[in-house]
Amino acid sequence: SQKIEQNSEALNIQEGKTATLTCNYTNYSPAYLQWYRQDPGRGPVFLLLIRENEKEKRKERLKVTFDTTLKQSLFHITASQPADSATYLCALDRGDSSYKLIFGSGTRLLVRP
Amino acid sequence: GAVVSQHPSRVICKSGTSVKIECRSLDFQATTMFWYRQFPKQSLMLMATSNEGSKATYEQGVEKDKFLINHASLTLSTLTVTSAHPEDSSFYICSAYDRGAYNSPLHFGNGTRLTVT
Repeated sequence: SQKIEQNSEALNIQEGKTATLTCNYTNYSPAYLQWYRQDPGRGPVFLLLIRENEKEKRKERLKVTFDTTLKQSLFHITASQPADSATYLCALDRGDSSYKLIFGSGTRLLVRP
Repeated sequence: GAVVSQHPSRVICKSGTSVKIECRSLDFQATTMFWYRQFPKQSLMLMATSNEGSKATYEQGVEKDKFLINHASLTLSTLTVTSAHPEDSSFYICSAYDRGAYNSPLHFGNGTRLTVT
């Protein structure tokens, strides 16, 4: 079955630097991959979706890449701000045409002022 | 944007009682809603898929008689945790696609923190 691996250790960076978070999957290549932000005690909020035929997607300070050969997606936040501090989850389709997503356990990002 | 409202945000109940959680799509219709459960520092685990006008489908290992789901309208799904026990204490979150398309974003409610004493 598909497994999603995200770094469980928190990423601690200085304000203004670029944060890079990694999402690796182990099995089939998903049709698409999504990134969500989750704040403590809140539901996840959608950030970006990238399809299997796309290498890169950008939205303001966010950039997502998708490498189906490496089975990896990278999520970048440029010019990071303390307000970017949160847990970031990656999610993949289940590959069974069920429209259901499976989620990684997320990586916590802490941006120091 | 699409908004999913979940209520209550927190609930504390005694062991053996039942708790109902509501999930509403405020500005769109949702024929399908998903219920997740999340333990601290763990990923969201899909519990069940709620289908408007038909029975919910449950993921493997989820007891359908314990977690009752009703999707009576295109904007409301409810999850009832029956005969709750302390091990049911968790963060429950509902979600829906606003366009019914599998490759569109999932919109989540803000979750319900259930504590069973």
